[in-house]
Amino acid sequence: QSVLTQPPSASGTPGQRVTISCSGSSSNIGSNTVNWYQQLPGTAPKLLIYSNNQRPSGVPDRFSGSKSGNSASLAISGLQSEDEADYYCTTWDDSLKGVVFGGGTKVTVL
Amino acid sequence: EVQLVVSGGGLVQPGGSLRLSCAASGFTFSTYSMNWVRQAPGKGLEWVSYINSISSAIYYADSVKGRFTISRDNDKNSLSLQMNSLRDEDTAVYYCARSHLGVVTAFDFWGQGALVTVSS
Repeated sequence: QSVLTQPPSASGTPGQRVTISCSGSSSNIGSNTVNWYQQLPGTAPKLLIYSNNQRPSGVPDRFSGSKSGNSASLAISGLQSEDEADYYCTTWDDSLKGVVFGGGTKVTVL
Repeated sequence: EVQLVVSGGGLVQPGGSLRLSCAASGFTFSTYSMNWVRQAPGKGLEWVSYINSISSAIYYADSVKGRFTISRDNDKNSLSLQMNSLRDEDTAVYYCARSHLGVVTAFDFWGQGALVTVSS
């Protein structure tokens, strides 16, 4: 059971907007910034969003992040076939004194 | 180009030990905090351990505390994970990951991973 809760799956057709939620508590998301990773099949994860809404160099602006209270979300606009991957949210947990991950959301492009 | 190359994975019996290494290149290793993250077959990501740039701050996940030891050698641009008293549930691909300079809980570069299989 992951500390952060994500839906196991999400889907959309090309061009659509997909949103993935990440729910936590006051000891993690509520008091720390959230990061998001994309993991394509058979590859290492890639940092997609850091500090709630910042994109590393090279990440398309179709990807955006937000945070409110104890929850965060990742939005993918203009969904493309290459966005089919697993997405993970993560943050620091003050109680556990460690980094915690969500269980991951598999995005399927229909 | 930033590169993180993980080595040392393999098959080990329950209760055994294994040491993973991560060779870093393409950046000033001594400036960055580093991490180990693992992924059991078909499962999600699990953070394992963190070490800051000068080894003065070290953290472990509860699942490995007391059994795993993270260390680094800034002269050799190398990160290590000594894993003792291995259990079946430690079977996973182990990644080494660099912390973002401004946000240490964001991992901006990852190695290719090494499979550790704990089985009799």
